[in-house]
Amino acid sequence: DAGVTQSPTHLIKTRGQQVTLRCSPISGHKSVSWYQQVLGQGPQFIFQYYEKEERGRGNFPDRFSARQFPNYSSELNVNALLLGDSALYLCASSWTETQYFGPGTRLLVL
Amino acid sequence: DQQVKQNSPSLSVQEGRISILNCDYTNSMFDYFLWYKKYPAEGPTFLISISSIKDKNEDGRFTVFLNKSAKHLSLHIVPSQPGDSAVYFCAASAEKSSGDKLTFGTGTRLAVRP
Repeated sequence: DAGVTQSPTHLIKTRGQQVTLRCSPISGHKSVSWYQQVLGQGPQFIFQYYEKEERGRGNFPDRFSARQFPNYSSELNVNALLLGDSALYLCASSWTETQYFGPGTRLLVL
Repeated sequence: DQQVKQNSPSLSVQEGRISILNCDYTNSMFDYFLWYKKYPAEGPTFLISISSIKDKNEDGRFTVFLNKSAKHLSLHIVPSQPGDSAVYFCAASAEKSSGDKLTFGTGTRLAVRP
């Protein structure tokens, strides 16, 4: 079975630009969560979506937004990019309490 | 406020010996705990989990122990293999209060020497 997939794998943007990251969950998983991991830290929770509804939001500014589609795939949008947004963005899907992560999208903001 | 702490940034173990990775937490609402392994340029891979109603869970070479009174959990890997070399993250969730949101520690880098 295919695991969680994310696209693109790498992305370079400049300050002020906007970016959209995509995630496809494991088949049958209805919950998708997004995390940001900066170097030397553990992943930080950004959003959780379940059945297309936002179930949780972490301590991130309104520049970060997300949505989930009827097929349970998800997009994470970040507007007005800052240098500090450079990180690995991870998507996870779950059926029960255990979340399974994708390979991530590495975003570099110059 | 670091609610999940992994105080050892690195650990080096001889192949065949036991690796013990430790994790402490402060939020008494946490009721589900997980360990993930992460290789460079990959996402975290789920290893093993434990519910707060248990004090031990075992899966092959991996055993997780939970001490709720001390707010401490540990991951034991026996025997350690060179392929176990990776960064290990402890994570916790509070199902009743914040759903599936995972709170991670900062990770412990394990090096298994051949």
